[in-house]
This record gives sequence, C-alpha cells and structure tokens, in this order.
Amino acid sequence: DIQMTQSPSSVSASVGDRVTITCRASQGVSSWLAWYQQKPGKAPKLLIYGASSLQSGAPARFSGSGSGTDFTLTISNLQPEDFAIYYCQQAHTFPWTFGQGTKVEI
Amino acid sequence: QVQLQESGPGLVKPSETLSLTCTVSGGSVTSGSYYWSWIRQPPGKGLEWIGYISYIGSTNYNPSLKSRVTISVGTSNNQFSLRLNSVTTADTAVYYCARDPLEGAADVWGQGTLVTVSS
Repeated sequence: DIQMTQSPSSVSASVGDRVTITCRASQGVSSWLAWYQQKPGKAPKLLIYGASSLQSGAPARFSGSGSGTDFTLTISNLQPEDFAIYYCQQAHTFPWTFGQGTKVEI
Repeated sequence: QVQLQESGPGLVKPSETLSLTCTVSGGSVTSGSYYWSWIRQPPGKGLEWIGYISYIGSTNYNPSLKSRVTISVGTSNNQFSLRLNSVTTADTAVYYCARDPLEGAADVWGQGTLVTVSS
C-alpha cells in the first residue's frame, strides 16, 4: 500500500493566519491527490482534487499544489470555521489510502 | 442535488455479518459515471477506504478486507450495499458511503453510521 504521511500532526494558528499542511506519498501518485476537511461528528468534505483543483463550493482561500510524492494544502486568511482536521488521500494505486490527519486548532 | 444516507444495524455481534445500505436521493447508482464507495473511520482514528462499485458494476476492494467484503447494487438502482463478514471488534467504526465522479475523490458523502461490534 502507498503510505501517506502528513505533517505536522497538529498546528496552532490564529484567525487571519496562513497555514500550510504537507502530505508525502511513499511512492509517486502523479496528481491523484485529494484533500478533505472534517469537523467533529461530521463526514469529511472535499476541498481539493487532482492535487490542485478547487472543489465547487469550497472557499478560494484553500489551495493545493504538488505532484509525484510531495503535496501541500494552503489555507490563506484562516477563518473560524476552518478549525478542523484535514486529510490527504491518494487515488493513484489501489487501495486508495489516506494520511493520518492534521488538526488545525486555535 | 444528490444526497446519500446510510442505514443498517448499529450493533453487530462478533463473527456475524455487518450489512449496510446506502440510499442515493436525486440520482441513480447505474447512471452517470461514478464510483460508489464505502469508507470507514474507527472512533478517534483516521479514514480507511473499504472499496467501491462502479456505475457499470465493477468492484474494487481494499486487499486488507477483500476476503470478507462485498459491495453490490441494491434491488432498486438508487441503493448500494456493503456486507462485511466475520466481524471483530476491530471493525467498530463509523461507516460512510460516498460518491466519486471518477476523480479519485469523494465529492458527496452520507452522514455516516456508527456500527459497534460487541457481544
């Protein structure tokens, strides 16, 4: 299986900050990389697919970049509703696998 | 607007079969170009992709569960189901159904249903 490693595991930030989360794949996944946001008790919500394409309805302050093995999710101008756990997921090789999550907290 | 809703028993005994159904509102499992997936999340832990059935009926399962899992289309084309045999306490999780428009990313999710494996 392809291992997805996110860093950091948690990050403390303030409203208005710029936050960057990194996801590294144990082998190349081209651009088959998605990012999700999950809030307590809720299903994950798709933010980014294809490594850098913003999902319809997701705020433009979310952006993704990278290809191959190294990817980044950036949240610019952090808003109160952005405090959540963020997961990356590869869909290049079965089984599709997720990172362990990054908690963005105040 | 497509919506998904999981249903099924919230408690299953060890060694028995977990069975869940996902009802698709506003769409059909057999129309359009989608993967219909099951994903689970043990309490307080991360996400695990279980598998999917495609709009043409092909399936793909996580090898870690392959010998125990079956995903199928329901009797009505707006439902798909998950069966997981010989469950143990390690299968206790919130189970989500989700839609993937062949992008390798789930754009619509159900709310999730907690299944506890316990005697």
